Parts: sequence; structure tokens; C-alpha cells
Amino acid sequence: KAGVTQTPRYLIKTRGQQVTLSCSPISGHRSVSWYQQTPGQGLQFLFEYFSETQRNKGNFPGRFSGRQFSNSRSEMNVSTLELGDSALYLCASSAGQGYYNEQFFGPGTRLTVL
Amino acid sequence: AQTVTQSQPEMSVQEAETVTLSCTYDTSESDYYLFWYKQPPSRQMILVIRQEAYKQQNATENRFSVNFQKAAKSFSLKISDSQLGDAAMYFCAYAGFGNEKLTFGTGTRLTIIP
Repeated sequence: KAGVTQTPRYLIKTRGQQVTLSCSPISGHRSVSWYQQTPGQGLQFLFEYFSETQRNKGNFPGRFSGRQFSNSRSEMNVSTLELGDSALYLCASSAGQGYYNEQFFGPGTRLTVL
Repeated sequence: AQTVTQSQPEMSVQEAETVTLSCTYDTSESDYYLFWYKQPPSRQMILVIRQEAYKQQNATENRFSVNFQKAAKSFSLKISDSQLGDAAMYFCAYAGFGNEKLTFGTGTRLTIIP
């Protein structure tokens, strides 16, 4: 099976712009979670989508949003970019059902905000 | 809210020796999972080992084993016969029962000395 893929791998934006990141989960996986990784804050949970519905949400401002499509692919959007949004954005996919579901991570998208 | 603490920002070990990484957590839940993830310089997060809280037996995966002390809320990772490929950031993580959201510690950077 192909692993979790994220596009693009690198992105440079300027303050005030918006950005959309994409995540394609492992085939058959219905849950996609997003994490922000920064040197200062570490790994923080953004949100999780399961079968096109947001099932869990972290403590991020409304500028961060996401969605999931019927094929389980997910996108996250950040509007009105700030310098502090510079980070590695990781997505993870899992089956999403049952008591335990191993999460498989993608390689990440490195976002730089200038 | 759950918290995960890793008090060792950096560790180093001689090749072929044994090293133990520490992790403590706080939760009011009785059922949960604990994980150790490895993030090599290539950035892809990989699951190393997991422990179900309801299991008293410590998990092992080849050279990797954990010491799970539920009452003390401690979850350490022991790496035996360290290899150069073990060099990475190691993250301790928590997930509630049936919950995809992972709460991560701040990580420990492990260096292997040849």
C-alpha cells in the first residue's frame, strides 16, 4: 500500500495570504488528523476528520480550517497567514473505527511565512 | 486535559549500548494508550511501540521495550543494542480510548555515538 502523501512538501507565503495543504491517506483509511509542529510549541493537534465530518478539534483559531472529501483526502486551509504559522504540518491517517487505530504519518509540508 | 512530559531534551548513547528515555503523563481517564514515536531527520514520524493502559505486561518490539508504571503515570522507553539508525527525535504520546487525537511530549533527541 502507498503511504500517506502530502502536497506540497514546501511552501513559502507572505503574511496575510492564505494557503491550502493537501493530504491523501492510505487507501481504506477514513480518518485524517492534522498536526502543527514548531520548535517552540512542539506537536499540536489541529483537527481530525472522519467520513467527511470533523470529529475532533484542537485549540487553534478559526483561521485554521479543514475539510475531507468523499475519497477521504483532506485539505487544511490557513487564512490571513501570520509569521507564527511557519511550521511543519503533518497529517496522519488511520482506519478511524474501533478502540485503537494505528496512525500513519505523512512526510509533512514545511510552510514558511515571510 | 491530558499532558505528556519528557524531561530529557537530549540523550546520547554509545553504539551497542542501552539507553532509556523517560516520559510521564497526566490523565483522569482509566483507559488509554501510550506510544513512542520516532522522527528521524527525514521527518517521517514512525510508530515504535504502543502500550494499552489496561495491560499490565510491558510491551516489547525487538530491541525496544517499555516500562509502564500506571500508578506513577510513567512510561519509559528502553532501546537495547543501540544502532546508528536509532538516531532521531523520540516523542512520547497519549491517546484516549477510541480517540484518534494524540497528545505529544516535547521530544528527546537521541544521538548514537559510533
